[in-house]
Amino acid sequence: GQQVMQIPQYQHVQEGEDFTTYCNSSTTLSNIQWYKQRPGGHPVFLIQLVKSGEVKKQKRLTFQFGEAKKNSSLHITATQTTDVGTYFCAGPFGQAGTALIFGKGTTLSVSS
Amino acid sequence: EPEVTQTPSHQVTQMGQEVILRCVPISNHLYFYWYRQILGQKVEFLVSFYNNEISEKSEIFDDQFSVERPDGSNFTLKIRSTKLEDSAMYFCASTVTYGYTFGSGTRLTVV
Repeated sequence: GQQVMQIPQYQHVQEGEDFTTYCNSSTTLSNIQWYKQRPGGHPVFLIQLVKSGEVKKQKRLTFQFGEAKKNSSLHITATQTTDVGTYFCAGPFGQAGTALIFGKGTTLSVSS
Repeated sequence: EPEVTQTPSHQVTQMGQEVILRCVPISNHLYFYWYRQILGQKVEFLVSFYNNEISEKSEIFDDQFSVERPDGSNFTLKIRSTKLEDSAMYFCASTVTYGYTFGSGTRLTVV
């Protein structure tokens, strides 16, 4: 079945260092979404990418959608302790295409 | 900002018992979902609901699970006969088109 994979599973950085998580789908996606889950919290929607090769920025976060629409990345510049959490990518699946399949997530820890 | 509300926040139940998890999605949202997350693991899709019927369901969503939207505001997940492996955080989510808004979850513990 359709799979969405993320690497790395865990990443620890010093505050101020950059961080990147990569997402790969076994199938071509019509769009990809990114969510952040703080420890003990619920997933919070960050962004959706739709176009091949699309790049979107949110302050220190840069999101990319691959040319083949099968991979994506999230890059955080100069991490802060507030960036701590698990970052999930998610792609649509199923006949209706309205449900999302989530990757396993990358858990980011930041030490000051 | 509108929220998805879930109750209870924590439920402990004995194996074999029925539980009902409740959710109030955002009022103008059209698509509703249940996901579950076993501690520290991935967010797993259970079921999606649109126009008063199930639009997608996963292999996890077998005959012991059911969903209802009984009154136009509440959205419920029923587990008929709970098993130990049903212990997880259950998240309800809703959306208009894309970008889910998740509730804070119900932590279900089956003992």
